[in-house]
Amino acid sequence: QSALTQPASVSGSPGQSITISCIGTSSDVGTYNFVSWYQHHPGEAPKLMIYDAIKRPSGVSNRFSGSRSGNTASLTISGLQAEDEADYYCCSYAGSNIWVFGGGTKLTVL
Amino acid sequence: EVQLVESGGGLVQPGGSLKLSCAASGFTFSGSAIHWVRQASGKGLEWVGRIRTKTYTYATAYAASVKGRFTFSRDDSKNTAYLQMNSLTTEDTAVYYCTKPPLTDGSGSYQFDVWGQGTLVTVSS
Repeated sequence: QSALTQPASVSGSPGQSITISCIGTSSDVGTYNFVSWYQHHPGEAPKLMIYDAIKRPSGVSNRFSGSRSGNTASLTISGLQAEDEADYYCCSYAGSNIWVFGGGTKLTVL
Repeated sequence: EVQLVESGGGLVQPGGSLKLSCAASGFTFSGSAIHWVRQASGKGLEWVGRIRTKTYTYATAYAASVKGRFTFSRDDSKNTAYLQMNSLTTEDTAVYYCTKPPLTDGSGSYQFDVWGQGTLVTVSS
């Protein structure tokens, strides 16, 4: 099972919106709606931001939203804030009791 | 407070073994599957595998990269999950996290809502 494909880095200015893509295959993202997104600040535990591709856990800012189309899932962060600067990972269920993560995207808030 | 705490990391020589622990508190451990995820330095997160609950006969699943070398187990009486790592290589050097889905095992949650802080495993001669 290959890792999902994410851009290595994205950047944006405070207040702007950015979108991080997560490209999978018909074996994972394309078949299952079980895509989740995690925010990871180095040295801390990852934090769940989006699950089931589009759902936001309680307590997560509504500036974070998810979508999925075909083999691609996306995470959009609107109204960028300095504290959003982190690494972001997508994860998909891939069937047969296997999960797969993306390679991660480093978000820089300029 | 719902919490997972990993321990047992350290320095081990190539070909050696190490056993990690994941101590849980604040939730019904026996009803939750436990997943393991690792992150090598400068690399992304990698799903390592999962152990289910007694209801599901403690079924395990492993990433191809660790299958046959790593073994998951759990002791529900101690609210602790374990990761036994054998035949370690330098490629296994990473921070190892345990994590869990938000819902009871079998309820159809495929995301991870609680993570430990991780424990560092270094494989080096």
